[in-house]
Amino acid sequence: KQEVTQIPAALSVPEGENLVLNCSFTDSAIYNLQWFRQDPGKGLTSLLLIQSSQREQTSGRLNASLDKSSGRSTLYIAASQPGDSATYLCAVDQGNAGNMLTFGGGTRLMVKP
Amino acid sequence: GAVVSQHPSRVICKSGTSVKIECRSLDFQATTMFWYRQFPKQSLMLMATSNEGSKATYEQGVEKDKFLINHASLTLSTLTVTSAHPEDSSFYICSVRGVGVTGELFFGEGSRLTVL
Repeated sequence: KQEVTQIPAALSVPEGENLVLNCSFTDSAIYNLQWFRQDPGKGLTSLLLIQSSQREQTSGRLNASLDKSSGRSTLYIAASQPGDSATYLCAVDQGNAGNMLTFGGGTRLMVKP
Repeated sequence: GAVVSQHPSRVICKSGTSVKIECRSLDFQATTMFWYRQFPKQSLMLMATSNEGSKATYEQGVEKDKFLINHASLTLSTLTVTSAHPEDSSFYICSVRGVGVTGELFFGEGSRLTVL
């Protein structure tokens, strides 16, 4: 059974810092991996999707990497801003038709002005 | 724009009543939709897979008679919490798998249910 772990569970940084969120998974047979952002009381916003054949994806100040063999993904946020404060979830997808999506516990990020 | 729309976003009801939550796929037809439940400060847990034109598939431990799912069209799935109790209070989120090779999953805005 796939298990997804995110470290740290919570993180507080001053504005402007670069930071890395970590995600690890136990079963490397994945279809893709998605990083999501969730604001309090809201749904999930997809940030980046990395297919199993890819090693990284970039969108603006965000960069996500994937190392399938070691079961790890990182989300790098450059020049953090208070508006980046949210919970970040990684989800490992093991199927392209049904739902074999396993979520990590999330990292609650607070960026202080 | 939004790919998946949920309604209502918030609902408060008395214990014993039933509540229906709608999930609509706006950009494409979806033969399959997924319903999740999220407790405060916890991650999402899959409740069931909604299949258009057939019965939903429920995850272990989820009561099918408690959480009724209907997927009557290719763009709409509904989750009905029957005879709701305070312990059913939670955040319910639906998702749809996008068309295309990436299989990206899109999520609705969620529905906050509070049972008094």
